[in-house]
Parts: sequence; structure tokens; C-alpha cells
Amino acid sequence: NAGVTQTPKFQVLKTGQSMTLQCAQDMNHNSMYWYRQDPGMGLRLIYYSASEGTTDKGEVPNGYNVSRLNKREFSLRLESAAPSQTSVYFCASTLGGGSETQYFGPGTRLLVL
Amino acid sequence: ILNVEQSPQSLHVQEGDSTNFTCSFPSSNFYALHWYRWETAKSPEALFVMTLNGDEKKKGRISATLNTKEGYSYLYIKGSQPEDSATYLCAADSWGKLQFGAGTQVVVTP
Repeated sequence: NAGVTQTPKFQVLKTGQSMTLQCAQDMNHNSMYWYRQDPGMGLRLIYYSASEGTTDKGEVPNGYNVSRLNKREFSLRLESAAPSQTSVYFCASTLGGGSETQYFGPGTRLLVL
Repeated sequence: ILNVEQSPQSLHVQEGDSTNFTCSFPSSNFYALHWYRWETAKSPEALFVMTLNGDEKKKGRISATLNTKEGYSYLYIKGSQPEDSATYLCAADSWGKLQFGAGTQVVVTP
């Protein structure tokens, strides 16, 4: 039981390049989330998927797109990376609904030059 | 967006001392309050989820209280140990969407 996994662990991009961050969970959770973490700002929600087939914007969605490929996988895409997107990205999942514990992946550290 | 604030931003504690810190959140649209423990280079780990006014939760030497009417939660660490060094995050839950505070960084020195 791996929990929540993320790939890659670390990535360096040049401005304008694109990439997809992958997230998968094996806990049969319904809801999945993408956050970014910047110094002094805590975790901010980018996008979330309450259930398979649905996605919604969070607090900071600009510059990102997501795909809920199936119940297990939720990917985050940067179409044209900008230095402001340098951050640590965390994926999380939960059984669903409110007041449920969210389980986090190990994070992807992204540097955009 | 729920405005969640944590204070202090950081604190240093001597091993063996007890400490506490605060999370404040808007009491309207409240659904649940989460506490997470986050060690450097690791992922956040859930401590508590609290929903009811007056809720108290305990996990070993760490406990938390919740006041939904006035919009705050306290986290207590009793007899701090070096392994308690971490950033403690709280998050207000609005029907599954979490709004995190910036965290309180705790450093426990031997």
C-alpha cells in the first residue's frame, strides 16, 4: 500500500516549457487535490477533483490545467512554465466529503528558470 | 476563501517544556478544522480533524481544542521533545476544500 505517490520528485524547466506532474493513490479515495507550497504562505489549493470525472478550480488555478484520468490518477499540467511557478507541489487525496483527513504525497520540487 | 491565521510564526522551546499556539479562522461557513504536522523534506501528516464546538483531541503528548463560536483552535505540546520539531499547520475545511494557515514552526532544543 504505497498511499499517494508523485512523479517526478524534482524538475528543472526553462521558461515557456511544459510539463505534467503525475499523482496516483491506491487507497480507493474519491477526492484528489493539487496544492503548491511557497515560503511563508502555507499550502494553497490549485485544483481539486471531488470525484472521478469532475474537476474544479481552487485558490490559485491560473497557469495550470488538470486531468482526473481515472479514480486513481490526477495529473497537473503546466502548459507554459513561468518563474512564478517555482514551488513545491503536493498532491493529496481523501475518501471524500468534508471533515475527512487528506493524505499527502511526497511532493514535487519544481524550479523554473 | 477562508482566512486562516496562525500565531506565532515560529517558537523555540526547551526540551521538557510545554507550549501551545493558535489557529484562528472565520466562524461562518465552518465545517471542520484540521491540524497537520510537517517535518522538513517530508509530506504533511494528519494529527486531528475536529468538527464540534468544544471538541478536544489528544495524540500522545499533543492535544488540540476547538472553539467554533469564536473561531479559534489551540494546539498543545506537553513536555516537548526534539522529535516534536516541525511546522504545525491548521486548515479550515469548507466541505472538503481546505484553506491552510502559514504554519507555526516549532524548534525544540535539548
